[in-house]
Amino acid sequence: DTAVSQTPKYLVTQMGNDKSIKCEQNLGHDTMYWYKQDSKKFLKIMFSYNNKELIINETVPNRFSPKSPDKAHLNLHINSLELGDSAVYFCASSPGFGSTDTQYFGPGTRLTVL
Amino acid sequence: QQQVKQSPQSLIVQKGGISIINCAYENTAFDYFPWYQQFPGKGPALLIAIRPDVSEKKEGRFTISFNKSAKQFSLHIMDSQPGDSATYFCAARTWEYGNKLVFGAGTILRVKS
Repeated sequence: DTAVSQTPKYLVTQMGNDKSIKCEQNLGHDTMYWYKQDSKKFLKIMFSYNNKELIINETVPNRFSPKSPDKAHLNLHINSLELGDSAVYFCASSPGFGSTDTQYFGPGTRLTVL
Repeated sequence: QQQVKQSPQSLIVQKGGISIINCAYENTAFDYFPWYQQFPGKGPALLIAIRPDVSEKKEGRFTISFNKSAKQFSLHIMDSQPGDSATYFCAARTWEYGNKLVFGAGTILRVKS
């Protein structure tokens, strides 16, 4: 049983296009996240939702818009894709927003912008 | 202040040896320090974590040593195995930053058999 799943696993697209990445968790967690891992493997949080409410919104271009239709899903939509958006995007979830709540990561979506 | 500095960038260890990865932080408000392990093509997974009120935590071959006064913590992998070859990330968390995880830059560990 996959705990945190993402689709698609790979996404190759042209500059200027709009794309979405979907994330679902079946752990019953209240909190979900989006992270970006760049080519040097640096992991940085982009967004966090708790019970469908946005609680962390890092300095991310407005072209990135998260949407949480329900507690189990957090999708990421990216408008007007740029070369610099190429990265691996990870979704994660945790039971809550407490300081010791373990975050469980999905398998990642490798986005390549040509 | 939000940074967690991790070293080394990469590490090669012989099978059976001890792997040591170090992290340092500035913000004393950090109150939770997890280590994540990431295999190629996979997402990071929690390996072990520590709170600053203890100086050491051990789980199997993995030990975190924590030095609150020096604001440093390290991961020790005893009897390193080829299967431990992965990227390791230290991280820190505090309510000051909305409880988000701040990650170190990662250490690529290769254990030679």
